[in-house]
Amino acid sequence: DTGVSQDPRHKITKRGQNVTFRCDPISEHNRLYWYRQTLGQGPEFLTYFQNEAQLEKSRLLSDRFSAERPKGSFSTLEIQRTEQGDSAMYLCASSLDYLTYEQYFGPGTRLTVT
Amino acid sequence: AQKVTQAQTEISVVEKEDVTLDCVYETRDTTYYLFWYKQPPSGELVFLIRRNSFDEQNEISGRYSWNFQKSTSSFNFTITASQVVDSAVYFCALSETNSGSARQLTFGSGTQLTVLP
Repeated sequence: DTGVSQDPRHKITKRGQNVTFRCDPISEHNRLYWYRQTLGQGPEFLTYFQNEAQLEKSRLLSDRFSAERPKGSFSTLEIQRTEQGDSAMYLCASSLDYLTYEQYFGPGTRLTVT
Repeated sequence: AQKVTQAQTEISVVEKEDVTLDCVYETRDTTYYLFWYKQPPSGELVFLIRRNSFDEQNEISGRYSWNFQKSTSSFNFTITASQVVDSAVYFCALSETNSGSARQLTFGSGTQLTVLP
């Protein structure tokens, strides 16, 4: 029984570079969420997918951010032209379906922009 | 808009003491869900419990218990006979049902619990 996995676990990049993170949800979970967590704060919602459709994006998701979930399986989150303010933990979560409220989280990708 | 407040930033107790973590929420929805998650030093958020707004029964699971009071918009979490392994950041979260289909979680800022041996 595998949980949500994320890759890489840590990423250090220079300002202006592009980065991409991957999330593999629990199999058969058709909802997938991305959150961002900064030091000392709770996670904040970024976006979510129902199968392959991206149905909602928060105001936190600037146009430098893009997320995909081809074929409704794994998802990628790309940040273009990274800024120091993008430094955070990026968390992925999945839930079974639209009737299910509890979400199961992966270990996160810690991004440091220098 | 929904909001979750965890006023206790840090709590430190000695092993075997009981400790209560407070959570106060705001929502305009009549139907909503409340959650507690644990985030140990490894960083992965671990789901502990979900309660819906219809059910104000307190719940006990081993050393953990939860007190949901709609009248005061609170959903407090008590750990009985705390252990060093309970040291972690604990987050309270809220999910509304009437504001669309996203079901996203709104988290509080967390309470860092340290249990000393």
